[in-house]
Amino acid sequence: DAKTTQPTSMDCAEGRAANLPCNHSTISGNEYVYWYRQIHSQGPQYIIHGLKNNETNEMASLIITEDRKSSTLILPHATLRDTAVYYCIVLDSNYQLIWGAGTKLIIKP
Amino acid sequence: DAGVIQSPRHEVTEMGQEVTLRCKPISGHNSLFWYRQTMMRGLELLIYFNNNVPIDDSGMPEDRFSAKMPNASFSTLKIQPSEPRDSAVYFCASSRGYAPYEQYFGPGTRLTVT
Repeated sequence: DAKTTQPTSMDCAEGRAANLPCNHSTISGNEYVYWYRQIHSQGPQYIIHGLKNNETNEMASLIITEDRKSSTLILPHATLRDTAVYYCIVLDSNYQLIWGAGTKLIIKP
Repeated sequence: DAGVIQSPRHEVTEMGQEVTLRCKPISGHNSLFWYRQTMMRGLELLIYFNNNVPIDDSGMPEDRFSAKMPNASFSTLKIQPSEPRDSAVYFCASSRGYAPYEQYFGPGTRLTVT
């Protein structure tokens, strides 16, 4: 079973920041949070991961709350090509990714 | 650099036939993962290898499924005999290191069993 909870779907206007929330209230102290996305008919794509501190790369920013029970992925200037399913993931006991249903993000012109 | 390469991209076969899916991981990656994705069950890990050795095959649905990694640059997933319920998109992914970290996925093989 997935250890994260995400909204089923979200809309965002092109050019605006897309903020995708994720709850992971049972996360343990040494577990990372990973974000991937899957554009239609393609394989999933790694975006970012983090443990405690906020992280930023060329694709996105990851904000993790101090209690680590939730996080937010931020796409600062969403484009139509960012329309995809976004997965917030933690590892299972075998250190493998647990894929939930994700959030379907639709970027609108 | 070439990413993960999978072949074929599409496969249509009849029930009872043998199906072999192929994967070439990214050079230098020492972990390889096979996933299956369906609308009903989402993305499921079938098996993963580290340094060509199968580490966990608990996700393989039944004995009809088998996977091999004879060397660092090639892996196969075989289904024999195939059944309609095996219809899905099969992804191969690779990563550096034992833990999943950043996995790089191939484009997938869409399998249809009639």
